[in-house]
Amino acid sequence: NAGVMQNPRHLVRRRGQEARLRCSPMKGHSHVYWYRQLPEEGLKFMVYLQKENIIDESGMPKERFSAEFPKEGPSILRIQQVVRGDSAAYFCASSPLKAGEQFFGPGTRLTVL
Amino acid sequence: AQSVSQHNHHVILSEAASLELGCNYSYGGTVNLFWYVQYPGQHLQLLLKYFSGDPLVKGIKGFEAEFIKSKFSFNLRKPSVQWSDTAEYFCAVNARGSQGNLIFGKGTKLSVKP
Repeated sequence: NAGVMQNPRHLVRRRGQEARLRCSPMKGHSHVYWYRQLPEEGLKFMVYLQKENIIDESGMPKERFSAEFPKEGPSILRIQQVVRGDSAAYFCASSPLKAGEQFFGPGTRLTVL
Repeated sequence: AQSVSQHNHHVILSEAASLELGCNYSYGGTVNLFWYVQYPGQHLQLLLKYFSGDPLVKGIKGFEAEFIKSKFSFNLRKPSVQWSDTAEYFCAVNARGSQGNLIFGKGTKLSVKP
């Protein structure tokens, strides 16, 4: 059973560009969580999605950030018009149950020049 | 608001030394508790978890943690560390009955000298 997959592993963007981060959950998992880790900080919750639905986006910045988890395909975290402060590691986790054990992907390290 | 505190930013030990990493949380209700480990260049892996029952929880690789409700603590222990335990350790909680999103501490880097 393959683990949680994230791609790309490293992403470099210039200020003002868009970043798209992908997360493929483990097989059979329909719950996806996105977290962001800033340098020298712990992971911070961003958004929780279940297939086709955003359940909790209380940790998402109000502007420029969006997430989706379509019926088919990976979950996408989209950051429009990136700024230097968006540079961070973005982790996705999946779970077979709401509030169940979460399995983490390897993360995407975003660098904004 | 919920929060998790890990008091040690960086711990350096020699092999065979005993380890205890502190974790305290702030939340008035019932919580689930987790310790995750991130080895260099790898993704987060679950070491152990506490949902209910025996407050002394045993995890993988010889790690254990004890939930002390009165102290809001969930400290991680290992009697004898190895060089391969060099990693970053994260304590996390979520509220029982919540949507499940985890609140993480800032992490503790453990360096074990051979």
